[in-house]
Amino acid sequence: EVQLVESGGHLVQPGGSLRLSCAASGFTFSNYAVTWVRQAAGKGLEWVSGISGSGDRTYYVDSLKGRFTVSRDNSKNTLYLQMNSLRAEDTAVYYCAKSGVMGSYYYYYMDVWGKGTTVTVSS
Amino acid sequence: EIVLTQSPGTLSLSPGERPTLSCRASQSVTSNYLAWYQQKPGQAPRLLIYGASSRATGIPDRFSGSGSGTDFTLTISRLEPEDFAVYYCQQYSSSPYTFGRGTKLEIK
Repeated sequence: EVQLVESGGHLVQPGGSLRLSCAASGFTFSNYAVTWVRQAAGKGLEWVSGISGSGDRTYYVDSLKGRFTVSRDNSKNTLYLQMNSLRAEDTAVYYCAKSGVMGSYYYYYMDVWGKGTTVTVSS
Repeated sequence: EIVLTQSPGTLSLSPGERPTLSCRASQSVTSNYLAWYQQKPGQAPRLLIYGASSRATGIPDRFSGSGSGTDFTLTISRLEPEDFAVYYCQQYSSSPYTFGRGTKLEIK
């Protein structure tokens, strides 16, 4: 069974840092891009960041560039999101999701999602 | 950045009805790289449609997607009770791979 399990979310003070992890299983992790999506309480989905299967290409929403860094360790089947200089508006559930495939290539739509991990930024 | 505008914001319907949800892009979505997701309260989103019109694995055929360029549509042929949820469109044509703000489908 294809599965993604996020961890690392908790309460952090404004200006603090946090690293989220996403453990993947049930598929060949390095063959797929993976993505972080967040959702503030009662709000819509916000695409945050994506990383290619090999890790050599990364993508971010413009508003988060410079504060968030996505990375992956294919030997550990794990995706990461390093979040620095956190603000109250970063409070959200953070989901990781696996890219879908069309033909022989993966694309940045998401066919499998984790259950999410909650980040709260507050003093 | 491609901005996706979904309409209506909320749709109040009864089981058995046929809703049409709209997603309009601020610029053309290359190769119809558009997906639709369903999200129920307290759950992660679920992929329904990719490539504008291809159903994801396990998705009932009452869900269909159509459109091209800047105008896309999700149609549910006959609403079932479990279909009441929020629906999001997402473009994966160019980074950042943005979502629309969602359409809430509620029971009338």
